Amino acid sequence: EPEVTQTPSHQVTQMGQEVILRCVPISNHLYFYWYRQILGQKVEFLVSFYNNEISEKSEIFDDQFSVERPDGSNFTLKIRSTKLEDSAMYFCASIPWPSGSTDTQYFGPGTRLTVL
Amino acid sequence: AQRVTQPEKLLSVFKGAPVELKCNYSYSGSPELFWYVQYSRQRLQLLLRHISRESIKGFTADLNKGETSFHLKKPFAQEEDSAMYYCALRNSGGSNYKLTFGKGTLLTVNP
Repeated sequence: EPEVTQTPSHQVTQMGQEVILRCVPISNHLYFYWYRQILGQKVEFLVSFYNNEISEKSEIFDDQFSVERPDGSNFTLKIRSTKLEDSAMYFCASIPWPSGSTDTQYFGPGTRLTVL
Repeated sequence: AQRVTQPEKLLSVFKGAPVELKCNYSYSGSPELFWYVQYSRQRLQLLLRHISRESIKGFTADLNKGETSFHLKKPFAQEEDSAMYYCALRNSGGSNYKLTFGKGTLLTVNP
């Protein structure tokens, strides 16, 4: 069964550095998301992306964050200048819309970002 | 603003006992409710959704709009049910399909 993949599984970086988290959504899915989960907190929506543009973003998704689909398969989340509070698990998700049901979001395994 | 509350961080039961994981929501529009589950070392996956009124792995959940609740129930818990359970909400009228999650309940089923 196809799955969403994410790389790396764990990223350690110094405060102020740029990081790029990568996701490969399921191939026929066209609607993508990034969520994050700070340790002990809830999973929070960051941004949704469709047709090569952001469809919605949360208050968390400020100017330090950007998303891109650089080619036909990858979907990336960039944090330009990381802060300590960016340490979290970042999840990518996708849905088979418009070709399929929107009921199920398919999640990747997550990337754990640690900012020192 | 939409909000999902799962009041129990941890829930521990014995095998064969009934289990109920509580979920309450706050939303002014017409919500769609879901339960997602994360087993140890696995990814988040959909368990069930209120619109289908289905039973998955023996679990059921009924949307109670009067009490704004969507509690997850199973009459006889199994050890393999041990996992993190997240209640989630989305706007039925929205085109974004984003999910708002609760903080999750860690269910442990003891032998």
